Amino acid sequence: AQSVTQPDIHITVSEGASLELRCNYSYGATPYLFWYVQSPGQGLQLLLKYFSGDTLVQGIKGFEAEFKRSQSSFNLRKPSVHWSDAAEYFCAVAGGGADGLTFGKGTHLIIQP
Amino acid sequence: NAGVTQTPKFQVLKTGQSMTLQCAQDMNHEYMSWYRQDPGMGLRLIHYSVGAGITDQGEVPNGYNVSRSTTEDFPLRLLSAAPSQTSVYFCASSYTGDLYEQYFGPGTRLTVT
Repeated sequence: AQSVTQPDIHITVSEGASLELRCNYSYGATPYLFWYVQSPGQGLQLLLKYFSGDTLVQGIKGFEAEFKRSQSSFNLRKPSVHWSDAAEYFCAVAGGGADGLTFGKGTHLIIQP
Repeated sequence: NAGVTQTPKFQVLKTGQSMTLQCAQDMNHEYMSWYRQDPGMGLRLIHYSVGAGITDQGEVPNGYNVSRSTTEDFPLRLLSAAPSQTSVYFCASSYTGDLYEQYFGPGTRLTVT
């Protein structure tokens, strides 16, 4: 069965600093990979996705992620964070069927002024 | 275009009571799903539907029923609520041609006492 690990439960970053959120997945074939963001009290919003092709994918709000098959990773990055980026971030994997996404447990991002 | 709507936003039930969480979308999406979100657990798939009249179980279906009589609506029924069903419930929808670009509703926070 597929699984997703987000090793960091909480991350604190200063405003204007760079950000990297880690995600490792387990899946037998080439996975479909996603990052979602959840602002407090809100539903989830898709930041970016990887299906195939270029391993560096660009998303909304200035985020990007890099798929590294050799490391089974799909880390999310942003060169300069803003206070509005404070939220919960979820990495997810799908196997190509209709049985939905498998989510990691999430990383809570705190932005220091 | 309201997107995915969920009602109610909050609900408190006593153990053994029944209720239905409502989900509706106005984007003509074929695929709809229900997830539950628990602290430190990420989101887990309860049930999903690939079209009207078709439903299937996800990772954690026990204690929940669904039906899909129209494309727009996908209600989730708790027949006999238990404290273990205290959670935040999210409904999501997508086109089957872009299965994983799911649009999430704002969630229903359910407490079972």
